[in-house]
Amino acid sequence: QQQVKQSPQSLIVQKGGISIINCAYENTAFDYFPWYQQFPGKGPALLIAIRPDVSEKKEGRFTISFNKSAKQFSLHIMDSQPGDSATYFCAASDTGGFKTIFGAGTRLFVKA
Amino acid sequence: ETGVTQSPTHLIKTRGQQVTLRCSSQSGHNTVSWYQQALGQGPQFIFQYYREEENGRGNFPPRFSGLQFPNYSSELNVNALELDDSALYLCASSLQGGGNTIYFGEGSWLTVV
Repeated sequence: QQQVKQSPQSLIVQKGGISIINCAYENTAFDYFPWYQQFPGKGPALLIAIRPDVSEKKEGRFTISFNKSAKQFSLHIMDSQPGDSATYFCAASDTGGFKTIFGAGTRLFVKA
Repeated sequence: ETGVTQSPTHLIKTRGQQVTLRCSSQSGHNTVSWYQQALGQGPQFIFQYYREEENGRGNFPPRFSGLQFPNYSSELNVNALELDDSALYLCASSLQGGGNTIYFGEGSWLTVV
């Protein structure tokens, strides 16, 4: 019940295309859903986050879509660029808890 | 830059040895969490410290221990190192309370040989 399942494991997208990464969760107590971007040799960096009271949040080329009834959320990267090539992690936590649960990660490669 | 600093950045230890990793949290953050990230996997929660006490723990054995100091900095100690302990150890700081953003440092790469 504590897991966050992420797919796909890896993704190759053409420059200018849309990258889509999906996550699903079981614990209905989760109320905060961040996405992190990690480059090789670096720590994960917060990209964008959403709370379940909204169905979509957009920041620049990055959009989170959230489906509370399906317990799913996804990251869309519009106009994908080679510089977006990195590993992306979805995550979830709950206000009353103390830990953030991470998905297994998606390795994105954007072809120039 | 998150303002979370970790040291050392890389280290190599022998099986059975002990290691101490250090973390300075972002200014204003009173909570520190430690995560283990094995190669090709997502970060796994080790434990969290708030007000100098362990506030929650993941599925890690007691040989993983920690400290938090009055200035909110923290240490992760691992005793009796095993080969499987080889990983990136990430420190994250936040304000107390789940549901808040955690900010990671760059991590300490530990190799156990």
